[in-house]
Amino acid sequence: QKEVEQNSGPLSVPEGAIASLNCTYSDRGSQSFFWYRQYSGKSPELIMSIYSNGDKEDGRFTAQLNKASQYVSLLIRDSQPSDSATYLCAVRTGRRALTFGSGTRLQVQP
Amino acid sequence: GAGVSQSPSNKVTEKGKDVELRCDPISGHTALYWYRQSLGQGLEFLIYFQGNSAPDKSGLPSDRFSAERTGGSVSTLTIQRTQQEDSAVYLCASSVVGTLAGTDTQYFGPGTRLTVL
Repeated sequence: QKEVEQNSGPLSVPEGAIASLNCTYSDRGSQSFFWYRQYSGKSPELIMSIYSNGDKEDGRFTAQLNKASQYVSLLIRDSQPSDSATYLCAVRTGRRALTFGSGTRLQVQP
Repeated sequence: GAGVSQSPSNKVTEKGKDVELRCDPISGHTALYWYRQSLGQGLEFLIYFQGNSAPDKSGLPSDRFSAERTGGSVSTLTIQRTQQEDSAVYLCASSVVGTLAGTDTQYFGPGTRLTVL
C-alpha cells in the first residue's frame, strides 16, 4: 500500500463546476497536509495547507481533513480552464520532508 | 524576493558519468530538501538539511547519491556513475522552520531535468 494515494485521473469537469480531488494516507501519525498544483513542465506550487480536522477555505479552494478516516480532499469551486493541472497531495509525518501522492490530473473543459 | 533557483535547468549525460546539480535556496530559509520526480509520478524525497543538524539521508536510493550543503545555504546533489534509471527531474525546495512543527511551507525551485543516455 502506498503511503499517500490519489486517483491519477484525468478528472474532467465543465467550466464553472465543482472539482473534487481526494487523497488517502496510511500513517495515522501524519500531522500536516498540503495540496500542491503542478502545471506541465513546471514545479509544484502550494495551494492549501491544513492541519486540523474540518474544512479550510481560501477563495475558490476548500481543503477538508478527516483524520479518523485518513483522507484529505480539495474542492475547487467555479472551476476555470486555468485550473487544469496535476494536483499533488502531500503529507508530513514526523520528519520534515513531505510524502507525495502521484497526483490527480484535472481537466476543466471550457 | 528571489525564489529557489537551480542549475543547470537541463543536463544530458552519458551512462557512467558523474553529475552535480546545484540549488540556491531562498535567503534566510534554514531547511533545504531534494526530491526527484520521474515522468508521470509524484515527488520522491531524497535528502533533507536543517541548519547545522545532521542531514536526513533516508531517501537516497543508493550510495551513488550524495549531497552537501555549504555554509547553510547552497546545496549540491551529486550522482556518481549515473544510470538510465536516474533520469528524472530533480527538485529542490526550501522553507523556514517555524515554532509549530510541521507547518512550514516548502517552496520549490524550477528543477533540473536530468537525462542519462
